[in-house]
Amino acid sequence: SQKIEQNSEALNIQEGKTATLTCNYTNYSPAYLQWYRQDPGRGPVFLLLIRENEKEKRKERLKVTFDTTLKQSLFHITASQPADSATYLCALVPFTGGGNKLTFGTGTQLKVEL
Amino acid sequence: NAGVMQNPRHLVRRRGQEARLRCSPMKGHSHVYWYRQLPEEGLKFMVYLQKENIIDESGMPKERFSAEFPKEGPSILRIQQVVRGDSAAYFCASSPSLETQYFGPGTRLLVL
Repeated sequence: SQKIEQNSEALNIQEGKTATLTCNYTNYSPAYLQWYRQDPGRGPVFLLLIRENEKEKRKERLKVTFDTTLKQSLFHITASQPADSATYLCALVPFTGGGNKLTFGTGTQLKVEL
Repeated sequence: NAGVMQNPRHLVRRRGQEARLRCSPMKGHSHVYWYRQLPEEGLKFMVYLQKENIIDESGMPKERFSAEFPKEGPSILRIQQVVRGDSAAYFCASSPSLETQYFGPGTRLLVL
């Protein structure tokens, strides 16, 4: 069956360190993968999109890698700050027609401590 | 440019009543998606609409749920005869193309 797995346990790191979050998937052929941030009581906020033919994408302190052989994406936040504390969701869009409905992982909660 | 608007933000219904959730996409966006987030679960796709057309409703429960996106006005997700299991956060997202989706703040439905 198709699965998207993210660490269910919260990730606690110290301010200034690099946070690395993992997204693994099985039985998907994603056209692209997206990362979102969700704060309590709010909707997801788009962060980055990476296509299946791209290895790495960067945006300011964020970096995403995509390994279609390992079926894994890594999401890095460098020089982390307490304001980065949130739940981070990965979402896949498969190679099928009819729009790009997103299939989400359950998210990993990140806490950045002073 | 205002973001995706959803209303109401909170909705309380008794079992058997109807719930109507509204979504106004961002200006210029013709693609609308509805997702549901149950407590302690991830976001699940429900339906994808373009103006006046349902493109993909593979995530919609077969009964009691319907969605529309009329030529004028917001997209509506309608739940008839609500049950306690319908209690969840319902998110709408809009997109100008077939890639990035921008989410609204959600409607939190509580069925008593």
